[in-house]
Amino acid sequence: GQSLEQPSEVTAVEGAIVQINCTYQTSGFYGLSWYQQHDGGAPTFLSYNALDGLEETGRFSSFLSRSDSYGYLLLQELQMKDSASYFCAVRVNRGGFKTIFGAGTRLFVKA
Amino acid sequence: DTEVTQTPKHLVMGMTNKKSLKCEQHMGHRAMYWYKQKAKKPPELMFVYSYEKLSINESVPSRFSPECPNSSLLNLHLHALQPEDSALYLCASMAGQTTDTQYFGPGTRLTVL
Repeated sequence: GQSLEQPSEVTAVEGAIVQINCTYQTSGFYGLSWYQQHDGGAPTFLSYNALDGLEETGRFSSFLSRSDSYGYLLLQELQMKDSASYFCAVRVNRGGFKTIFGAGTRLFVKA
Repeated sequence: DTEVTQTPKHLVMGMTNKKSLKCEQHMGHRAMYWYKQKAKKPPELMFVYSYEKLSINESVPSRFSPECPNSSLLNLHLHALQPEDSALYLCASMAGQTTDTQYFGPGTRLTVL
């Protein structure tokens, strides 16, 4: 079978750092992605890790450990506008390439 | 132009109606996707088109019929839908298949009465 686990909710204070973890179990794994979605909006691509290690893009960083089937998204210098849902997603090749989304983590940033 | 457009933004239809959703991108992407998203849930993959050919159908009921007339356009034809099909329908496109940089359109919010 397959599974993706991430916390359902995280609350943090403006200016702080928050880490959203994701563990997965799937066949045909190619890489781990992160998407952000604001209420009423469409998902927006944040990052993709195909190899082990840390990828940094501005205030956001993403990490992958393939041997541990684990990754995380790190958000630094939190801003109110970062309040949104964050989905980890696995890119797999099972009869064709596709993306399977986790249930999402709702991030609340407080002043 | 990194935009994916979807029309209409909102659609209300009865269970006996036939309607179509349209998606368009001009980024030269050769992979296009349809997702269904219910409130407070993740996007669920429905169909994948690669180079204008249907490559994945995630066991979607036949009342949903996808079509890719050309490399820029993706349609989703709807017929005899059920109230539980009410959801946000998202289209996405991507340049290749081995990365995951998907560009999503704003979605069509569908209500089936």
